[in-house]
Amino acid sequence: QSVLTQPPSASGTPGQRVTISCSGSSSNIGSNTVNWYQHLPGTAPKLLIYSNNQRPSGVPDRFSGSKSGTSASLAISGLQSEDEADYYCAAWDDSLNVVFGGGTKLTVL
Amino acid sequence: QLQLQESGPGLVKPSETLSLTCTVSGGSISSSSYYWGWIRQPPGKGLEWIGSIQYSGSTYYNASLKSRVTISVDRSKNQFSLKLSSVTAADTAVYYCVRHNEGYEILTGYYTCYFDYWGQGTLVTVSS
Repeated sequence: QSVLTQPPSASGTPGQRVTISCSGSSSNIGSNTVNWYQHLPGTAPKLLIYSNNQRPSGVPDRFSGSKSGTSASLAISGLQSEDEADYYCAAWDDSLNVVFGGGTKLTVL
Repeated sequence: QLQLQESGPGLVKPSETLSLTCTVSGGSISSSSYYWGWIRQPPGKGLEWIGSIQYSGSTYYNASLKSRVTISVDRSKNQFSLKLSSVTAADTAVYYCVRHNEGYEILTGYYTCYFDYWGQGTLVTVSS
């Protein structure tokens, strides 16, 4: 059971906008920032969003993050086939742990 | 470009100690700005942070693994290492080494903590 809660799956058609939610508590998302990782099969996870809404260099602006209270969201606009991957949210928890969501498998239909 | 590469045995017997090393290239491990960490992913499951270390040797570990984990750093070799003792089949996973970026946001005071560079990962199987 993951500390952060994500939907196990999400889907969309090319060009569509999809969002993935991440729910936590006051000890993690509520008091620290949220990060998102993209994990393509057979590759290392990649940092997609850090500090709630910041994109590392090279990440397309189709990807955006937001946070409100104890929840966060990742939005992908202009969905592309190469976006099909697993997406994980993560945050620091005041129990002195980094906690992850269980992951959301995004399917591009 | 910073690169991280894991190395170590791919098969470990139950009750023994899992040992992995991460070699950092394209940058120095002796930067006070970063920690260096380990994350794992059991087959078919999600990501789990194991722990992190700074070049000074300062460490912090996942509370659920703390009693079995030791992370150390070798600045002369630009490497850091993971030891996980008393392993069981539940420790079978792909193990990633990562650079761990952390700090407090000036405006909000929120603590930010993320992994911006990852090794390719190495599968470790625990089996007799």
